[in-house]
Amino acid sequence: EPEVTQTPSHQVTQMGQEVILRCVPISNHLYFYWYRQILGQKVEFLVSFYNNEISEKSEIFDDQFSVERPDGSNFTLKIRSTKLEDSAMYFCASSEWASKLFGPGTRLTVL
Amino acid sequence: QKEVEQDPGPLSVPEGAIVSLNCTYSNSAFQYFMWYRQYSRKGPELLMYTYSSGNKEDGRFTAQVDKSSKYISLFIRDSQPSDSATYLCAMSSLIQGAQKLVFGQGTRLTINP
Repeated sequence: EPEVTQTPSHQVTQMGQEVILRCVPISNHLYFYWYRQILGQKVEFLVSFYNNEISEKSEIFDDQFSVERPDGSNFTLKIRSTKLEDSAMYFCASSEWASKLFGPGTRLTVL
Repeated sequence: QKEVEQDPGPLSVPEGAIVSLNCTYSNSAFQYFMWYRQYSRKGPELLMYTYSSGNKEDGRFTAQVDKSSKYISLFIRDSQPSDSATYLCAMSSLIQGAQKLVFGQGTRLTINP
């Protein structure tokens, strides 16, 4: 069964550093997303991406965040200057239509 | 009022019991409803999805949506220890792929052998 994959599984970085989280969505899916989950809190929407552009973004997704689909398979989330409060699990998801399938997540720790 | 409310539990039941998990919501535009299962420090795994009101059954799992009451449920029959996980309800406003999901807090469920 096809799966969404994410790398790395765990990323540790210093505050102020840039990080890039990578995702490989399911190949025939058209819609791509990033969500995050701070420890003990609910899963929160960050951004959706369709047809090579952002469809919707949340208040969390400020100028420090960007997304890109650099080739036909990868989907990336970049955080330009990380803050302590960016520490969370980041989940990539993709969908062909409405059912969104999630990857295993990247645990980002900002020190 | 929160857009989606879900009792975080924890909920602990004996093996074989019927489990009922519930969410309420305030946004009447929600039409697409999903249940995800999440194991500790893992990604949400899609269990079931339903559109609008009604019931849907898949093996031991039954999802119910009552749009008039803004209330959704997931029932697990003959619960097994392997069902122990956090269950997340999620919903979106339109059946369009790019529509964001709004999640509940998640209910932590433990099935005791």
